[in-house]
Amino acid sequence: DAGVTQSPTHLIKTRGQQVTLRCSPKSGHDTVSWYQQALGQGPQFIFQYYEEEERQRGNFPDRFSGHQFPNYSSELNVNALLLGDSALYLCASRDRVDEQYFGPGTRLTVT
Amino acid sequence: GENVEQHPSTLSVQEGDSAVIKCTYSDSASNYFPWYKQELGKGPQLIIDIRSNVGEKKDQRIAVTLNKTAKHFSLHITETQPEDSAVYFCAASVWGDMRFGAGTRLTVKP
Repeated sequence: DAGVTQSPTHLIKTRGQQVTLRCSPKSGHDTVSWYQQALGQGPQFIFQYYEEEERQRGNFPDRFSGHQFPNYSSELNVNALLLGDSALYLCASRDRVDEQYFGPGTRLTVT
Repeated sequence: GENVEQHPSTLSVQEGDSAVIKCTYSDSASNYFPWYKQELGKGPQLIIDIRSNVGEKKDQRIAVTLNKTAKHFSLHITETQPEDSAVYFCAASVWGDMRFGAGTRLTVKP
């Protein structure tokens, strides 16, 4: 059984560009959350998707948007990239229980 | 919103000793408290969790305690081994909105 998978592993973008990150949840999980983890810090909650809708959102600007597909996979989009958006982006999935499992992350570098 | 504080930020112990990491949270509505272990270059791995209707939970060498009144919860690792070396995060969740502490870097010296 595959766990949470994310792609790509690493990504380098230039300020002002747009980026799309992808996540496939663990088998049987229908809820996907995205987190931003800056170097040396804990993950920061961006938003959560369930039934293809954004259900909860953390303190992130509208430049951060997402989507969930009928197969429960999800995308995170970030527009107008800033240097400060450089971070590890983590996807986590869960079912109706609270237990949340993380993927390996996508390392985004903005230059 | 929820605010989670975690202490200490770094912890160094001798192999075989115990390690304790403590967290406090602010939102009394938080009802789920997981602990994650993150190794270099990997995503956080769930190691143990506790729900608000339970005061203590143990799984082999690791245990978690929760004091709802004081809004404190702690991770206890006994008989530490070098492979326990990693960054540990506590978190508090209210209906899936999970907030993390800043992490504790644990080093177990052989």
